[in-house]
Amino acid sequence: SYVLTQPPSVSVAPGQTARITCGGNNIGIKSVHWYQQKPGQAPVLVVYDDSDRPSGIPERFSGSNSGNTATLTISRVDAGDEADYYCQVWETSVIFGGGTKLTVL
Amino acid sequence: QVQLVESGGGLVKPGGSLRLSCAASGFSLSDYYMSWIRQAPGKGLEWVSYISGSGSSMNYADAVKGRFTISRDNAKNLLYLQMNSLRAEDTAVYYCARDRQLSFHYWGQGTLVTVSS
Repeated sequence: SYVLTQPPSVSVAPGQTARITCGGNNIGIKSVHWYQQKPGQAPVLVVYDDSDRPSGIPERFSGSNSGNTATLTISRVDAGDEADYYCQVWETSVIFGGGTKLTVL
Repeated sequence: QVQLVESGGGLVKPGGSLRLSCAASGFSLSDYYMSWIRQAPGKGLEWVSYISGSGSSMNYADAVKGRFTISRDNAKNLLYLQMNSLRAEDTAVYYCARDRQLSFHYWGQGTLVTVSS
């Protein structure tokens, strides 16, 4: 079955840029979606179809996808971005990555 | 505005059954695929099942196949998940989510299912 691999944790200082990767075999040919989940809350879609943003999501959130790696980039990180982030694709069924905990130092 | 509200969670013994409901408002359920997604305590997201807008197409994760049944009542704008033969590993928060081209743009707040003796 298809596997999405995310780093367990990423740390970044406020104001810097965070990059969270999602690895998968030839993931570049798939549409990748990203979710943010804060403690005790439901996930929120922040990027869909590799690089599109739902309404209400700041432009600081962007995505890219090529080869075997998709990346969620969060620019000018602030404390409010601290959360778990999950990538997701469709491969005969819905597949989620294991999640990455973003810590703002 | 779009709203999804789950209900029906609770404590159940291993081998027991539970039916979850998801009440949709702000849109017509029949226009969208819907999914159930769960999250075990301290763990990541796991897709459970989806159903098409008409209810004619369904799919399940291997972990629940044969035990869980997804259904919908479009007239009442309700989505269901019938869970039978529950196991400890089914303990999780269960979310319903609205599908748009294989991504989930709207989620409910979740309902906790605890399977324990």
